Amino acid sequence: AQRVTQPEKLLSVFKGAPVELKCNYSYSGSPELFWYVQYSRQRLQLLLRHISRESIKGFTADLNKGETSFHLKKPFAQEEDSAMYYCATSSGGYNKLIFGAGTRLAVHP
Amino acid sequence: EPEVTQTPSHQVTQMGQEVILRCVPISNHLYFYWYRQILGQKVEFLVSFYNNEISEKSEIFDDQFSVERPDGSNFTLKIRSTKLEDSAMYFCASSPAGGMSQPQHFGDGTRLSIL
Repeated sequence: AQRVTQPEKLLSVFKGAPVELKCNYSYSGSPELFWYVQYSRQRLQLLLRHISRESIKGFTADLNKGETSFHLKKPFAQEEDSAMYYCATSSGGYNKLIFGAGTRLAVHP
Repeated sequence: EPEVTQTPSHQVTQMGQEVILRCVPISNHLYFYWYRQILGQKVEFLVSFYNNEISEKSEIFDDQFSVERPDGSNFTLKIRSTKLEDSAMYFCASSPAGGMSQPQHFGDGTRLSIL
């Protein structure tokens, strides 16, 4: 069965520090990986997906099939990056999303 | 930018009562989903819906749950006889098409509290 693991419940950093939110997945086929973000009192929003290979708000994520990872990185964290971050994989077909438990990123001034 | 809207934002219901959660997906989207998140736990898939029928459901989605698209705009989740463990945030999502690479757009969620 597909599974997504986010080992850190909380990541606390200071403004300007690099950030890496970890995500590992298990999937038997070709995975589709996503990062969703939820700012305080807002809806889940798609941040980025591996197929796009883009950078959004300074965040990037690279799919590493050898390590089955899709870690989210940003070189210099900003206070407005504070939010819950969820890694997710889709299960083909009708695109059901399977989420990790989420990591709360807290960026301190 | 069009959004998925959910009502109510908070629903308080007595155990054993029926509850209907409402969602208006983005108008040109074809696939609709319900997820839930019990406090402190991960977001879990409940059901997906396409072409007026359920396309996939999880083991959570038992006979107490049903979904309906009663008209061209609403998508509802009904829980027939609520239990305490149904207390959670319920998220509706929609996507323009199924398959890979079609991002899902989420609503704000409905917080369901069962007393």
